[in-house]
Amino acid sequence: GEDVEQSLFLSVREGDSSVINCTYTDSSSTYLYWYKQEPGAGLQLLTYIFSNMDMKQDQRLTVLLNKKDKHLSLRIADTQTGDSAIYFCAERPISSASKIIFGSGTRLSIRP
Amino acid sequence: GAVVSQHPSWVICKSGTSVKIECRSLDFQATTMFWYRQFPKQSLMLMATSNEGSKATYEQGVEKDKFLINHASLTLSTLTVTSAHPEDSSFYICSAREPARDIITNSPLHFGNGTRLTVT
Repeated sequence: GEDVEQSLFLSVREGDSSVINCTYTDSSSTYLYWYKQEPGAGLQLLTYIFSNMDMKQDQRLTVLLNKKDKHLSLRIADTQTGDSAIYFCAERPISSASKIIFGSGTRLSIRP
Repeated sequence: GAVVSQHPSWVICKSGTSVKIECRSLDFQATTMFWYRQFPKQSLMLMATSNEGSKATYEQGVEKDKFLINHASLTLSTLTVTSAHPEDSSFYICSAREPARDIITNSPLHFGNGTRLTVT
């Protein structure tokens, strides 16, 4: 089946790194995504990784993929107050190429 | 970058009335658009896939007669909540797939800013 799981909350101190974790069940997933949702807004695509990659870095964002364990993580370096949001992990299974399956979202809060 | 515009951003309606929500892709043609529903503190639930020029594909448990989807052009899909009831109050988000530039490139999914529907 298709299932994506994330922890619901994460609290980090401003300036520290945030690591948001995600597990998925469909090993045939072609792409895995991280989306950001600010209050009352839609989803913004932050980054994505193709399933044959282990890591992708984009400025403060680092995505790590462990395909064997079906584990995806998003690391945000030097976390700022503007990073406060809900972060959704999502997968695009090869079995349903047009659909994206979302996790429950991790609410990231920043403390001073 | 690609932008998806969703309108209105919020709407309050009386029980029994119908509400139409528009989703437009502003700088690309979207043959496929998706409609999601998001409950408070929950993830997005895919309601239906909207295909230009053909009938929408609804997910299991979603009433197609209640949530009417029309995708009349390559840049516009509409969701009409018919005979709305308080339990239909939710945050509705549309998304559109930007066509891939080649077979290798991932075709990104862009989201609208959502519509907050409150039915009184």
